[in-house]
Amino acid sequence: DQQVKQNSPSLSVQEGRISILNCDYTNSMFDYFLWYKKYPAEGPTFLISISSIKDKNEDGRFTVFLNKSAKHLSLHIVPSQPGDSAVYFCAASLAYSGAGSYQLTFGKGTKLSVIP
Amino acid sequence: NAGVTQTPKFRILKIGQSMTLQCTQDMNHNYMYWYRQDPGMGLKLIYYSVGAGITDKGEVPNGYNVSRSTTEDFPLRLELAAPSQTSVYFCATRTSGLSDTQYFGPGTRLTVL
Repeated sequence: DQQVKQNSPSLSVQEGRISILNCDYTNSMFDYFLWYKKYPAEGPTFLISISSIKDKNEDGRFTVFLNKSAKHLSLHIVPSQPGDSAVYFCAASLAYSGAGSYQLTFGKGTKLSVIP
Repeated sequence: NAGVTQTPKFRILKIGQSMTLQCTQDMNHNYMYWYRQDPGMGLKLIYYSVGAGITDKGEVPNGYNVSRSTTEDFPLRLELAAPSQTSVYFCATRTSGLSDTQYFGPGTRLTVL
């Protein structure tokens, strides 16, 4: 049972336009969400995060939106650049649950291609 | 400051062989994790550790073992390699803070033939 779903395996966007990557989750106990970016032959690198008490977090060209009632989050990249071409993973955790391990549950990823 | 380092980068094993994947961090983070990523899939947690001497199973622990004798090192052991263990393995660390992220190593690509 996949608790974090990224239903689009791939996305192509023209340089300068907006990229929107989507993520859905099923576990209502998740309270912290992260986006990671991964280039080929490298480990994932942290991009941006949001806690469940917020509905938006912005960092430069990257904005994450959280809709708790719909159990949906999205990552917006504006403007998109060719260097943004990578696989983007959505991840969720029970950061505030007191479980102690802060385990991350990952989606399968979306491959973003930004066309010059 | 190297962050999280993993060795080897690549390895080919025969069925039934054993090996240890090394993970070392110099960030003094308490939490360490081992993930595997199969093609077209997300990362799945194998084992994790909340500090030296403490380890616990993740989602897919079968066929693996870990130890954590120091804060810096968290090796992953495969005792009897099977083709199903062909994957890319990532080690990660984080601090104890509530909102801190996990920092990943570059990965080890393992093929079992």
